[in-house]
Amino acid sequence: DAGVTQSPTHLIKTRGQQVTLRCSPKSGHDTVSWYQQALGQGPQFIFQYYEEEERQRGNFPDRFSGHQFPNYSSELNVNALLLGDSALYLCASSSYGNTIYFGEGSWLTVV
Amino acid sequence: AQRVTQPEKLLSVFKGAPVELKCNYSYSGSPELFWYVQYSRQRLQLLLRHISRESIKGFTADLNKGETSFHLKKPFAQEEDSAMYYCALSPAGGTSYGKLTFGQGTILTVHP
Repeated sequence: DAGVTQSPTHLIKTRGQQVTLRCSPKSGHDTVSWYQQALGQGPQFIFQYYEEEERQRGNFPDRFSGHQFPNYSSELNVNALLLGDSALYLCASSSYGNTIYFGEGSWLTVV
Repeated sequence: AQRVTQPEKLLSVFKGAPVELKCNYSYSGSPELFWYVQYSRQRLQLLLRHISRESIKGFTADLNKGETSFHLKKPFAQEEDSAMYYCALSPAGGTSYGKLTFGQGTILTVHP
């Protein structure tokens, strides 16, 4: 089991552009959450997907959106990128209230 | 609102010394508390979950609801314990489970 996998690992975007990050959950997991981790900070919850619906959302603007596919994989989309969106984006998966596993993250740099 | 505070950004101890990483939280309901660890160049991984009451790698943590604390302790620190440690909180059970609120983390360095 490869665990939670994310792609790409690193990317650079220009202000105003849009970005899509991808996540495959751990085998058997149906719930996917996304977190933003700025340098020197703890991860911050963006949103959670379950059964292809956004179930919970943190304090992030509508520029942050997501999707979950029937195979439980997920995408995080960020529109109109700002310099402040530069961060590590973490995907986490779980099922039935069990242990939450994290991926290695996608490093986004906005220039 | 959920809030987790880790008052120490850096903590240094010598090998064999006891170590305690502090965590305080605020939450209006019944939370689940966790400690996550991130070793150098590795992903975030679960160290402890309070409901499991297990001791992992010699670490223990007791949930003190009166003091709203969940401090992480180990009686004899090892060099391989050097890492970033995050305390985290989630609403317990149901559809709210999994919305983790993290503290800012404590970097533990164990000197030989």
